[in-house]
Amino acid sequence: GAVVSQHPSRVICKSGTSVKIECRSLDFQATTMFWYRQFPKQSLMLMATSNEGSKATYEQGVEKDKFLINHASLTLSTLTVTSAHPEDSSFYICSAREAGGGTMARGAFFGQGTRLTVV
Amino acid sequence: GENVEQHPSTLSVQEGDSAVIKCTYSDSASNYFPWYKQELGKRPQLIIDIRSNVGEKKDQRIAVTLNKTAKHFSLHITETQPEDSAVYFCASTLNSGYSTLTFGKGTMLLVSP
Repeated sequence: GAVVSQHPSRVICKSGTSVKIECRSLDFQATTMFWYRQFPKQSLMLMATSNEGSKATYEQGVEKDKFLINHASLTLSTLTVTSAHPEDSSFYICSAREAGGGTMARGAFFGQGTRLTVV
Repeated sequence: GENVEQHPSTLSVQEGDSAVIKCTYSDSASNYFPWYKQELGKRPQLIIDIRSNVGEKKDQRIAVTLNKTAKHFSLHITETQPEDSAVYFCASTLNSGYSTLTFGKGTMLLVSP
């Protein structure tokens, strides 16, 4: 299956600093990538949809200025948590579907996830 | 928007038994239904998927059924093994690679030896 790589897998940062998380599709092009947040023992909560070459689409209640998304190429999307606070501590995970509007697109394939701890 | 309901939230079975997880969806336009297995601290892994043009798909001990009329689909695991223990998520979406997935809340499956 398609491979999605996410880095870093774990990060600890001080309150008030920013953290950048990278999501790469290694063997396919991903026009669209998705960023999720997952709380312990809960399902995946979609934060935003990242579109290559255009602005991301954020879900209701997700602060655009807090969670900056950049999708500069067909294989890379980044999520930057700005001015992080302890309540931002969570498991962040990206996913991607193969590019195109074809009827046979599978999906989605997930990155390894990033465990963010803000102290 | 799409809404996916998943049941049960937890499921305990003995090794060798079968396990069934059920999901319903609300958007009749949805036409692709993947299932994911997530082990603790790891990424969700796609284990099987079904498109709306078929009613059943099987891959070794795992099978998925789809009833478009009733808008529900199910995951069946036969001859369960302890390594099947994990959280399972169903999802619904469109075939298009641009479409996001709507996930169920997950089922924690525990297979006891």
